[in-house]
Amino acid sequence: AQKITQTQPGMFVQEKEAVTLDCTYDTSDPSYGLFWYKQPSSGEMIFLIYQGSYDQQNATEGRYSLNFQKARKSANLVISASQLGDSAMYFCAMSPYGSGNTGKLIFGQGTTLQVKP
Amino acid sequence: EAGVTQFPSHSVIEKGQTVTLRCDPISGHDNLYWYRRVMGKEIKFLLHFVKESKQDESGMPNNRFLAERTGGTYSTLKVQPAELEDSGVYFCASGIYSGNTIYFGEGSWLTVV
Repeated sequence: AQKITQTQPGMFVQEKEAVTLDCTYDTSDPSYGLFWYKQPSSGEMIFLIYQGSYDQQNATEGRYSLNFQKARKSANLVISASQLGDSAMYFCAMSPYGSGNTGKLIFGQGTTLQVKP
Repeated sequence: EAGVTQFPSHSVIEKGQTVTLRCDPISGHDNLYWYRRVMGKEIKFLLHFVKESKQDESGMPNNRFLAERTGGTYSTLKVQPAELEDSGVYFCASGIYSGNTIYFGEGSWLTVV
């Protein structure tokens, strides 16, 4: 069965330091997409970054990068130079249809990140 | 460009009443999705529209939930009659058919008392 696992319910990081949020996935499909979303206290879900299963390079978007290790089925989110505004809940998600058709997303349980000044 | 818009943002209703949630996707997005997160659980897929057609409704919990997307524009999700376990946040999302990004709205928080 397809599944996303985020093993860190909560994380703390000092402002300006880097932090890695873990995500492992389980699928037998060769084609899939991996997403990270941020949910601040206001409630909206903000798209951060996407990685396709056939992408050769790790995705990067500004201070966000996705450490994609296909053999280990992990898709960790790395946030560099943390800012106070990064405090939020972060969700890892998988689309079973790859980059051509996103299909429905399967979400992990989420990780709450607190950035300390 | 306007994002995905959901209405109402918060709703408190009594058990047995009806609630209708509305979603306006990003203009030009053929794909529209409904998700929900009930207390303490993961965000779960409910259904997927491509334009006005239901592509996948495998996540709809039961026949008390009815989703429509008239004319392939905005969508509504009706819960009738509402039960206590329906409380949670209902997210709408939209995406371009050939794209790899789904954009979410701010969610509609539903409390059934």
